[in-house]
Amino acid sequence: GQNIDQPTEMTATEGAIVQINCTYQTSGFNGLFWYQQHAGEAPTFLSYNVLDGLEEKGRFSSFLSRSKGYSYLLLKELQMKDSASYLCAVSDSNYQLIWGAGTKLIIKP
Amino acid sequence: GAVVSQHPSWVICKSGTSVKIECRSLDFQATTMFWYRQFPKQSLMLMATSNEGSKATYEQGVEKDKFLINHASLTLSTLTVTSAHPEDSSFYICSAGEREYEQYFGPGTRLTVT
Repeated sequence: GQNIDQPTEMTATEGAIVQINCTYQTSGFNGLFWYQQHAGEAPTFLSYNVLDGLEEKGRFSSFLSRSKGYSYLLLKELQMKDSASYLCAVSDSNYQLIWGAGTKLIIKP
Repeated sequence: GAVVSQHPSWVICKSGTSVKIECRSLDFQATTMFWYRQFPKQSLMLMATSNEGSKATYEQGVEKDKFLINHASLTLSTLTVTSAHPEDSSFYICSAGEREYEQYFGPGTRLTVT
C-alpha cells in the first residue's frame, strides 16, 4: 500500500530552526510537496521537489532523497506565525496526491 | 501565482437538502480539478478527480450519487452534496493547477448540516 509518515506534533522556540521529516512509500513518484495549513484554512503551497537535493526558498528549505524515500522541510528563524500544520504529499504514478497526516508545529516564545 | 476561488466560503443547511459548492480557476485553465474533504484534526482526503468534459473519478468509499461533480468548463467545477446529513459536515477544498506538479488550493467551504 501507499504510506506517508511524518511526526504528529513538534515544538520549537521562536528564532530557532526546526526540521520536519517525511518518509514515503508510494506506487511511483512524480514529486513531493510540502504545504502549510493554518487552523481553519486551506493549505498553501510551500515547495515541490522531484530531484534529489535541497531547494531553498527564503526561510524555508526542502530536501529530497528518492532512494531513501525521505524528505524534510527546514524552517529557519522561526516566527510565531509559523505555528501551523505542515503537510507532506507525494504525487504517485497517476499524479494523484497521497497525503501525510500532517505535523502540527507549535512555536513558543 | 495561480488563484483558485471557492463559493460559498461557508454554508449551513438543513438535513435532507442539497448544497452546491463552486470551484473556479481565476487566471488559468484547468482540465483537472480535485475535490478534498477534511474533518477536524485530520488530513485532507481526496474525494474525486474532476475532468473537464467527462465524468469525475471517485475515490473508493465516496458515493458518486451523493457527491455530484460537474466540470462544465475549463475554469469551473461544482460539487453538489445531495440529501445532506449531519455526518457530511466538513471542510470541502478544491485544488487545480496549470501543470501536474503545481496544485493551488481554493480557500475551502465549511459545510454544517443541522
